[in-house]
Formats: sequence, C-alpha cells, structure tokens
Amino acid sequence: GENVEQHPSTLSVQEGDSAVIKCTYSDSASNYFPWYKQELGKRPQLIIDIRSNVGEKKDQRIAVTLNKTAKHFSLHITETQPEDSAVYFCAARDTGFQKLVFGTGTRLLVSP
Amino acid sequence: DTGVSQDPRHKITKRGQNVTFRCDPISEHNRLYWYRQTLGQGPEFLTYFQNEAQLEKSRLLSDRFSAERPKGSFSTLEIQRTEQGDSAMYLCASSLVPQRTYGYTFGSGTRLTVV
Repeated sequence: GENVEQHPSTLSVQEGDSAVIKCTYSDSASNYFPWYKQELGKRPQLIIDIRSNVGEKKDQRIAVTLNKTAKHFSLHITETQPEDSAVYFCAARDTGFQKLVFGTGTRLLVSP
Repeated sequence: DTGVSQDPRHKITKRGQNVTFRCDPISEHNRLYWYRQTLGQGPEFLTYFQNEAQLEKSRLLSDRFSAERPKGSFSTLEIQRTEQGDSAMYLCASSLVPQRTYGYTFGSGTRLTVV
C-alpha cells in the first residue's frame, strides 16, 4: 500500500517569508495529492490539491508542485502571515483501495 | 446541509466500557471514511464505506472495533471493551466519487478519552 513521508515536522518562519513543506510517496500509480490545514482543535481542511497529470497548481499565496519521477510533492506558501500558523498534512490517494494516506504533519509557526 | 457532523464531540469513558460514535456525512456524498488521529500524528485510516458497503478495513482495526452504515447515510463506529490506547480523536470524512477531485470533507471529530 501507499506510504507518505513528510518533512520537516516543524517549521518556523518570520512573517512575510516563504515556507516549503515536502512529501514523498511510495506508490508510483498514485494520482491525487491533497494538502490539508488543521488549526488547533479544529478539523483538517482541504487547502489545495493536485492530480498526477499536472506539475504545478497555484491558488493565491499557496502552490503545490509534483514531481512524478521522483515521487515527491511540495507545498509552497509565500508571504506568510501569522494566520498561516497551523499543522499541514499532505496525503496521497492509494490507487488500490482509493483512500487517502496522510503524512505525519508539519507544524508551521509564523512569527510577526 | 452544513457539512459533516459528528456526535458526540467529546467522550470520556472508563476502560472496559463500550462506546459508539455517530457520523452524518454531506447528504449527496456516497463515500464515508473513519480515521483516527493521535496527538502530533496525521490521520490514520480505519475503514470506509461506499454507500452501505464497507469496502476496506485497516489491519489496525481490531475485532473490538466495528462500523456500520446501514442505509448508506449516517455511520456509527463502535469500540467494545475500550482500552487506554484507544484514546484519540476519531475523525469522519465524506466524499463523492466519481468527481473531479477526490478530496474529503472532514467532520470536527469525536475526542475519546479512556480513563
């Protein structure tokens, strides 16, 4: 089955800096890669996703890139703001059973 | 329909007791998933349904755990003879397949504490 690794586990940046979170996956047939943001005590919320037929997708200050050859994908947040502080999870869709397999999360702290 | 609802939000139980959680998905969603999340970890897959059929169960799901979705709408997750290691946030999510995106909508979760 699919296995997803996520790095770093914590990331501290100054407001206005960029943040990059990286994930690798094991199943080369995986075809869907979402990113979720989870604020303390709240539900994970989908912030951006990418399918395997696309190399990059952007939505305002966030972007996701996918390298199928290397089996890794990354979340890029530009011009970070304190409200971006949260735990971010990457995931990959297991093609066998079609469920999402999640990474272990990255705690992002944006300092004013 | 405001999203995925879970009940209760919090549950404290004594070790050895049985507990049951309920999830109401987004009404038009045909898939429903249960995940477990412990502190500092990502959501861990437990099981999922397409309509009323349970299509996969994780090997992590011992025989003390059972889930149902009898009419293809709401689902229940029951844990029998709870253990302290069962303490976690239990998240429900739903999705509609096929569609352009495979993303889930999560509920707010049920936090279980076994004492």
